[in-house]
Amino acid sequence: AQKVTQAQTEISVVEKEDVTLDCVYETRDTTYYLFWYKQPPSGELVFLIRRNSFDEQNEISGRYSWNFQKSTSSFNFTITASQVVDSAVYFCAPSEARGYQKVTFGIGTKLQVIP
Amino acid sequence: DVKVTQSSRYLVKRTGEKVFLECVQDMDHENMFWYRQDPGLGLRLIYFSYDVKMKEKGDIPEGYSVSREKKERFSLILESASTNQTSMYLCAISPGTDSYNEQFFGPGTRLTVL
Repeated sequence: AQKVTQAQTEISVVEKEDVTLDCVYETRDTTYYLFWYKQPPSGELVFLIRRNSFDEQNEISGRYSWNFQKSTSSFNFTITASQVVDSAVYFCAPSEARGYQKVTFGIGTKLQVIP
Repeated sequence: DVKVTQSSRYLVKRTGEKVFLECVQDMDHENMFWYRQDPGLGLRLIYFSYDVKMKEKGDIPEGYSVSREKKERFSLILESASTNQTSMYLCAISPGTDSYNEQFFGPGTRLTVL
């Protein structure tokens, strides 16, 4: 079974600040996937990014960037120059590579961006 | 655009009632999931289905059952609702059998059991 820890339950930042959301996971699998999802106040979860366990290349997409470090089992997510629209709950979610997409969601980090 | 619809946004039921939550997709995806979301607990998987009439228990199936008679529709059934089943229920879908695929979520049903 997989476990995921999002130690930050709530974060508040002032608009334009950078913010990093932490995610630490546990798995005994050698092959697995990692996801981040966003849940805005409207309630509908939206997929943001995925990584497979063989791909430690970090990625930047606009204001978002992800840092995957297999050695420390971490998959952190950074928003640069935060905006009010980034206010949401963010979920880190590892997935087993075998079977039918058994995803384990963290408890989420609630991000509030203050104007 | 992927469309996942849930029958109700808000639902209020009484203890002991039989409750049906419906999820319908328009993407012809094989996999459908039911989660419940509670503060401090995140999302927990109740049941999922990878084909018509096929189902698998998730992490917290007790008190729930499911039905998938048609590919596009996945129903969650609370046989006898209890107050501890008050929660936000989320339906999700995904294609194929590859765990690499992301899930697409519906808007959720907030169920209150009195």
